[in-house]
Amino acid sequence: KQEVTQIPAALSVPEGENLVLNCSFTDSAIYNLQWFRQDPGKGLTSLLLIQSSQREQTSGRLNASLDKSSGRSTLYIAASQPGDSATYLCALENQAGTALIFGKGTTLSVSS
Amino acid sequence: GAGVSQTPSNKVTEKGKYVELRCDPISGHTALYWYRQSLGQGPEFLIYFQGTGAADDSGLPNDRFFAVRPEGSVSTLKIQRTERGDSAVYLCASSLSGGKDEQYFGPGTRLTVT
Repeated sequence: KQEVTQIPAALSVPEGENLVLNCSFTDSAIYNLQWFRQDPGKGLTSLLLIQSSQREQTSGRLNASLDKSSGRSTLYIAASQPGDSATYLCALENQAGTALIFGKGTTLSVSS
Repeated sequence: GAGVSQTPSNKVTEKGKYVELRCDPISGHTALYWYRQSLGQGPEFLIYFQGTGAADDSGLPNDRFFAVRPEGSVSTLKIQRTERGDSAVYLCASSLSGGKDEQYFGPGTRLTVT
């Protein structure tokens, strides 16, 4: 059974710092991996989707990498801003391709 | 175009009551998903529809939970004899045709059972 773990559970950084959020998974036979952002009391916003044949995706100040062999993905945020404060969730498709399996998330706080 | 919408945004009900939660997917999306998110946890899968049929309902916790999508668009999640443990945010998502397509999430319905 696929399990997704996100470390750290919470992170506080000053504005301008570069940071890395980690996601690990137990079954390397994955399809897509998605990173989402969730603001308090809100739904999920998709940030980046990495297909299984890809190693990374970039969007603006965000870069996500995927290493299937080691069961890891990282989300790199450059030059963090207070508006980046949110919970970041990592999710993988299940083997049947019918659902996403989520980690518990990393709650990021960026102070000005 | 419009995103996924869910109604109501908040629902408070008493233990033992019946509730219905509605999801309007993105127009043209054939795949629809329901997830449940408890406080401090990531969303957990409940059920997946492809068109009108439930292609995977393995995440439904018990037979008090049921979902329908009669015309292949709007979906309703139904919970009978609600329990306090059912309190959570219920999220709906849709994708163009399922499989490896990206899922787009609605804002969720916060259900509180008192």
